[in-house]
Amino acid sequence: KAGVTQTPRYLIKTRGQQVTLSCSPISGHRSVSWYQQTPGQGLQFLFEYFSETQRNKGNFPGRFSGRQFSNSRSEMNVSTLELGDSALYLCASSFVASEETQYFGPGTRLTVL
Amino acid sequence: QKEVEQNSGPLSVPEGAIASLNCTYSDRGSQSFFWYRQYSGKSPELIMFIYSNGDKEDGRFTAQLNKASQYVSLLIRDSQPSDSATYLCAVSENYGGSQGNLIFGKGTKLSVKP
Repeated sequence: KAGVTQTPRYLIKTRGQQVTLSCSPISGHRSVSWYQQTPGQGLQFLFEYFSETQRNKGNFPGRFSGRQFSNSRSEMNVSTLELGDSALYLCASSFVASEETQYFGPGTRLTVL
Repeated sequence: QKEVEQNSGPLSVPEGAIASLNCTYSDRGSQSFFWYRQYSGKSPELIMFIYSNGDKEDGRFTAQLNKASQYVSLLIRDSQPSDSATYLCAVSENYGGSQGNLIFGKGTKLSVKP
């Protein structure tokens, strides 16, 4: 079974631009969560989607948004990029009925110049 | 502010020794506790989870939970150089249901010396 895939793997943007990241969960998984990982703050929860609905949201500004499609694929968007948005963005999927295991994708490394 | 605290390390142990990793959390409503391992440049992978007070063993790994003390630990027996990684503690207020909205500690870097 294929794992969680994220595209693109690397991205360089400049301040003020916007970016869209994509995540394809493991086949059959319906829950997708997004995390931001930085050396200073560690792994921080952004949001979780299940059946195209946002179920949980972390403490991030409204510039960070996401959505989930009917095939469970998810995108997250960051508008008006700031230098501090440079981070590894990780997507994780889980089959909700099996709550214990959340599988992470390889991440998208975003650099904002 | 819900917080998960871990000693950043590095924690250095000789091969074959027991590595002990500790984690405390601030939210008494936390119900589920997870240990992830993250190799440098890789994404986190789940090692084990624990819901109930006491010990839970899985191979060389033992998770220990003490909700009264708001403390969770991970013991790695017979440590191997391949165990060298950053270990992330995560907590969730969900008991069952979705694991989303995990709160992570910043991780403890473990180094196992041959």
